[in-house]
Amino acid sequence: AQSVAQPEDQVNVAEGNPLTVKCTYSVSGNPYLFWYVQYPNRGLQFLLKYITGDNLVKGSYGFEAEFNKSQTSFHLKKPSALVSDSALYFCAVRDSRGSTLGRLYFGRGTQLTVWP
Amino acid sequence: DTGVSQDPRHKITKRGQNVTFRCDPISEHNRLYWYRQTLGQGPEFLTYFQNEAQLEKSRLLSDRFSAERPKGSFSTLEIQRTEQGDSAMYLCASSPIREANEQFFGPGTRLTVL
Repeated sequence: AQSVAQPEDQVNVAEGNPLTVKCTYSVSGNPYLFWYVQYPNRGLQFLLKYITGDNLVKGSYGFEAEFNKSQTSFHLKKPSALVSDSALYFCAVRDSRGSTLGRLYFGRGTQLTVWP
Repeated sequence: DTGVSQDPRHKITKRGQNVTFRCDPISEHNRLYWYRQTLGQGPEFLTYFQNEAQLEKSRLLSDRFSAERPKGSFSTLEIQRTEQGDSAMYLCASSPIREANEQFFGPGTRLTVL
């Protein structure tokens, strides 16, 4: 069965400091991994994805994520946080094979707060 | 705006009533998805279409729920005999047919069942 865990409900960081939002996953086959961000009263916005290739993927707004197959993790990172990064972040996974090719499995989300 | 659009944005209804939501995907996207999101949870998959064919349905999609995409363009999600437990944000997403592509989400329809 496919699943995603985001172990932290909240992450608080000072502006200018690096941030990490954690995600671990479970799939039967090879994973396709995604990060989305949700601002209040708005839909989910795509940040980045890992399909294959380099373990470090770069995405929108200066975010990046590192795929670690042995630890089944896909942590979201940013070297220097901005107050405007404060939002709800979701990690999602799809299995690259099997009958459930369409669906994404989401974690519960992590609320990131960056204070000035 | 060429993104995914959903209508209405908000719906308040009384228990037992039927409601219908509409989703207009990005025009060149063959795949369309419906998810449901409740407070404090991530989106949960409901169903998805490739063109007009409904290819997958979640067990969350009870007999009271039905979705259509009659011409492979817009889609509707109907909930019959609504219950208070149906109160949630209903999200629509679309993607091109290539397997590894990300899904693009609309703003959602927030349903409140009184």
